[in-house]
Amino acid sequence: EAAVTQSPRNKVAVTGGKVTLSCNQTNNHNNMYWYRQDTGHGLRLIHYSYGAGSTEKGDIPDGYKASRPSQENFSLILELATPSQTSVYFCASVWEDTQYFGPGTRLLVL
Amino acid sequence: GDSVTQTEGQVALSEEDFLTIHCNYSASGYPALFWYVQYPGEGPQFLFRASRDKEKGSSRGFEATYNKETTSFHLQKASVQESDSAVYYCALGGGSNAKLTFGKGTKLSVKS
Repeated sequence: EAAVTQSPRNKVAVTGGKVTLSCNQTNNHNNMYWYRQDTGHGLRLIHYSYGAGSTEKGDIPDGYKASRPSQENFSLILELATPSQTSVYFCASVWEDTQYFGPGTRLLVL
Repeated sequence: GDSVTQTEGQVALSEEDFLTIHCNYSASGYPALFWYVQYPGEGPQFLFRASRDKEKGSSRGFEATYNKETTSFHLQKASVQESDSAVYYCALGGGSNAKLTFGKGTKLSVKS
């Protein structure tokens, strides 16, 4: 099974600040994904990547950037954090068409 | 676009009860259908999938059958345990980019 790790696990940020969430996978999977999870909305796709150097917009990309500097690492960047971005963020990588998720990062924007 | 509708909110059962969580989808062609389970404080875990009409997926006593006619993939378990308490997500996807579209999740609470 895929090993996907995320850091930090918890983050408190201030409105207008920059936040970087990191994801690492050690199984050499090509595709990786960033989701946010909110009550009443389930999991919503923010950005995804096909491999190093590639980023694609998901369903709710506004206010977020992504970076895939290597096969193993995929970051989600909030340049100007807002309270509406308070959420739990999950990263996933995929083998064939099955996605494997990390443990999540809980972000609170004050 | 593609969408998934599943039993809303919470399902409360007692141990050994029969479980059904409804999942209906809207998509063209034959998307792959998935069930994921999420325990408190963890990320969603793959439970099982199916990709053809009449195909049954199963794992850990849970099962669902792909029904193209009714566009459904209902999750069932004959006898739930307290340890099954979790949030269950139905999803559709596959394809070249392996994107998934998730339902909003159903929280299962099982009391002993």
